[in-house]
Amino acid sequence: AQSVTQLDSHVSVSEGTPVLLRCNYSSSYSPSLFWYVQHPNKGLQLLLKYTSAATLVKGINGFEAEFKKSETSFHLTKPSAHMSDAAEYFCVVIPLGGGGNKLTFGTGTQLKVEL
Amino acid sequence: NAGVTQTPKFQVLKTGQSMTLQCAQDMNHNSMYWYRQDPGMGLRLIYYSASEGTTDKGEVPNGYNVSRLNKREFSLRLESAAPSQTSVYFCASSEGEGTGNQPQHFGDGTRLSIL
Repeated sequence: AQSVTQLDSHVSVSEGTPVLLRCNYSSSYSPSLFWYVQHPNKGLQLLLKYTSAATLVKGINGFEAEFKKSETSFHLTKPSAHMSDAAEYFCVVIPLGGGGNKLTFGTGTQLKVEL
Repeated sequence: NAGVTQTPKFQVLKTGQSMTLQCAQDMNHNSMYWYRQDPGMGLRLIYYSASEGTTDKGEVPNGYNVSRLNKREFSLRLESAAPSQTSVYFCASSEGEGTGNQPQHFGDGTRLSIL
């Protein structure tokens, strides 16, 4: 079985300051991990993915995430927030070998970016 | 690049009515999925199709049926709509047949209200 916990339901930052969105996971298998972003009234867009290669993963729009097995974490970061980053972010886990249907979503973190 | 296209974008139904949500992808993906998104609950898998000609239940299949019409199209049917099915519905597709490490590509969603 697998689960995902996004530790903050809402995060508020000022434009130009760093972003940290936290995600912890549990999985019976070695996991694949993804971060998706959802802008209002839109579908989910893939930001980045970890699939057992490099532990520091770079994604689109300046986002990156670090897989830490010892901490079972996959936190999303960005050095400098932009107004266009305001959206909802989802952490997703898939256990490798567990089948594509066993995709588990976190409950989401709403990011607010203020001037 | 159309990607994943869902129709309709919005729909209001009365309790007991039926309707079919349509989904088509033009990326030649083998696997397709239907999710529902409710506030504070992330996305939950309703049904998926690992390949043309196969469908399987996800986490919340009750009250729904699906048809994988061909490789491109995967429809979701509500036979007798209930207010509890008020939600935003997302269709997604991915390469491979349930390998678990391919990201999913999402449509923009269908916003369904049942009165």
